[in-house]
Amino acid sequence: NAGVMQNPRHLVRRRGQEARLRCSPMKGHSHVYWYRQLPEEGLKFMVYLQKENIIDESGMPKERFSAEFPKEGPSILRIQQVVRGDSAAYFCASSPSPGQGSNQPQHFGDGTRLSIL
Amino acid sequence: AQKITQTQPGMFVQEKEAVTLDCTYDTSDPSYGLFWYKQPSSGEMIFLIYQGSYDQQNATEGRYSLNFQKARKSANLVISASQLGDSAMYFCAMRSLSYNTDKLIFGTGTRLQVFP
Repeated sequence: NAGVMQNPRHLVRRRGQEARLRCSPMKGHSHVYWYRQLPEEGLKFMVYLQKENIIDESGMPKERFSAEFPKEGPSILRIQQVVRGDSAAYFCASSPSPGQGSNQPQHFGDGTRLSIL
Repeated sequence: AQKITQTQPGMFVQEKEAVTLDCTYDTSDPSYGLFWYKQPSSGEMIFLIYQGSYDQQNATEGRYSLNFQKARKSANLVISASQLGDSAMYFCAMRSLSYNTDKLIFGTGTRLQVFP
């Protein structure tokens, strides 16, 4: 499967624990995006990364959330000290280098469903 | 600020009929792209169709077409010959092409149910 790979598919954490969500972009894609989807809502942008760089984190909560996309390995979305309100589906998407005027769609992974007990 | 509005929370259509899902947008960017994604009950996001703001013709992809009316700021998705497998949530999204932010802004979605 050459698509965007996210794992785990489902993740259960207790309040106060840490959650780590992983995303491997499609082959040849160097741009990764994270979105959050609350129940019965649309996707909300969180962060946009290139290898070793955060390009736009305007949608990230100021505390407890961080993201990285290292030179080697998958992109990681990390949520520290999780709370009930963090329960959501977290989607990763990737695209090739967009440039200006690009019509390249973002290709999404199947998402990670995070449940906080 | 950019915004996508989908005013139909739910739509019903009979198999083999056509259906239009509404999407209006608001942006001050001179150049932008509009996307439609399908989310079946299994949860994945599937790209359907793209329309650029400077494209002269409406986009088509198989049974999907986009009715783009730039002056009205609308980008409605038309699904022809509906199939039972089209039952899903449908999201309209917009991306600025003028600035290098590259994020997608999504609407709240429309749940389409196709009945026999």
